[in-house]
Amino acid sequence: NAGVTQTPKFQVLKTGQSMTLQCAQDMNHEYMSWYRQDPGMGLRLIHYSVGAGITDQGEVPNGYNVSRSTTEDFPLRLLSAAPSQTSVYFCASSYSFTGGTEAFFGQGTRLTVV
Amino acid sequence: KQEVTQIPAALSVPEGENLVLNCSFTDSAIYNLQWFRQDPGKGLTSLLLIQSSQREQTSGRLNASLDKSSGRSTLYIAASQPGDSATYLCAVRPLTGANSKLTFGKGITLSVRP
Repeated sequence: NAGVTQTPKFQVLKTGQSMTLQCAQDMNHEYMSWYRQDPGMGLRLIHYSVGAGITDQGEVPNGYNVSRSTTEDFPLRLLSAAPSQTSVYFCASSYSFTGGTEAFFGQGTRLTVV
Repeated sequence: KQEVTQIPAALSVPEGENLVLNCSFTDSAIYNLQWFRQDPGKGLTSLLLIQSSQREQTSGRLNASLDKSSGRSTLYIAASQPGDSATYLCAVRPLTGANSKLTFGKGITLSVRP
């Protein structure tokens, strides 16, 4: 039972580079979301999706794009990396029509932008 | 806007002590509340989920209670062990639906001294 899988686990980018953080879940969850976690700031919601083809902005969406073409995958794209995007990124999923509403998290991607 | 508070931010106790971690929220219109554990450098692991209609949930040495009317939840850890050292976060899901955004507290970092 894989749950929520994030890749890569670690990444170093140069300012201005772009990249995609991958997130996949195998629980048939409708709801998926991306958070960033910074010291003293807690978890902040970047983008979320309530189903395939539907996405919306969270609290800190600037500099990030998402799309949801399948139920399983929810990639997060950094368009032009900035040092302020140095953070730990978590993907989460929850809610299936046949299951409950318990949220599950991936192991995180630790991103450093230099 | 829902706000979730966890105080204190850090707690240190001797091994064997029973302890209570507090979580308070400002809007009592919640669908459920979830407690998570986060080890350093790791993702969030779900501990307990309490539906709004429930008063408490138990798993092993952990017991979580919910008092919606007062906007409070507690996580009780019995006979604490050094392996319980971690950050504990609570999160609430609003009554707007199962498919809605979680609001997190900033967590309590627990250290259990041998």
